[in-house]
Amino acid sequence: DSGVTQTPKHLITATGQRVTLRCSPRSGDLSVYWYQQSLDQGLQFLIQYYNGEERAKGNILERFSAQQFPDLHSELNLSSLELGDSALYFCASSSRGLALLGNTGELFFGEGSRLTVL
Amino acid sequence: GQQLNQSPQSMFIQEGEDVSMNCTSSSIFNTWLWYKQDPGEGPVLLIALYKAGELTSNGRLTAQFGITRKDSFLNISASIPSDVGIYFCAGQVRTGTASKLTFGTGTRLQVTL
Repeated sequence: DSGVTQTPKHLITATGQRVTLRCSPRSGDLSVYWYQQSLDQGLQFLIQYYNGEERAKGNILERFSAQQFPDLHSELNLSSLELGDSALYFCASSSRGLALLGNTGELFFGEGSRLTVL
Repeated sequence: GQQLNQSPQSMFIQEGEDVSMNCTSSSIFNTWLWYKQDPGEGPVLLIALYKAGELTSNGRLTAQFGITRKDSFLNISASIPSDVGIYFCAGQVRTGTASKLTFGTGTRLQVTL
C-alpha cells in the first residue's frame, strides 16, 4: 500500500460527458502528480501541484483541468470526453516538490482510476 | 510529449536467466529511476540513480546511470516468476521549484518456468 488513494477505481461514461477523478496523497506529501497511461502505452505526465500551486505542466489537454485543495487532495477534471480519453489515470505524490539537494524524485503511485469512454 | 526510448519492448525469458534492459534519451537528466508496475497496480520505485556513472544494486537488481547522462541500464539476475511486470525507466529534470519526471515506454517482462 503506497498510501496514495484514488477514487473511483473504475468509471464508465459516454462521449461528451465530464468526470472528476480524486486523489489523496500520502500523509505529509505536498506534491501531487497526474499521469495518463493508455493501453500498452507508457506513462504520460499531465500536471504537477505543490502545496496548492501548479508547478509543472505536461501534455494536458485543454479539456482537462486539475487543482489541489488546502487539505492537499487533488482532483483531475476531464470534460467533453472522447473515446481516446479511455485510459488509466494515476496520481502520485512525493514529499518534495522543490529542487533541493537530495530530492530523490521518488513518486508514490496510487492504484489508478480506470476510465472507459463509450 | 517527450518520452524515453526503452528497449526491448517485451521479453520472454526462462526462470533463472539474467535480464538486461536500457533506456535512452536525447536529453540530459539529473536523476534516473527505475520503476516496476505489477498488473492492476501503480508503479513502484526499484532503484534511484543520482550521479553520472553511478552503479547501484538492490538485491538481484543492478542499475547504472550513463556517463553521458542520457541513458540508463537495468539488469536483473537469476529471474524468478514474481519479476513479471512492466519495468519503466524515468528521467528527472529539476528546474527551479518544478520537478518533472518523464517515463520510458516500458519493458514488459514475462518469466516462464
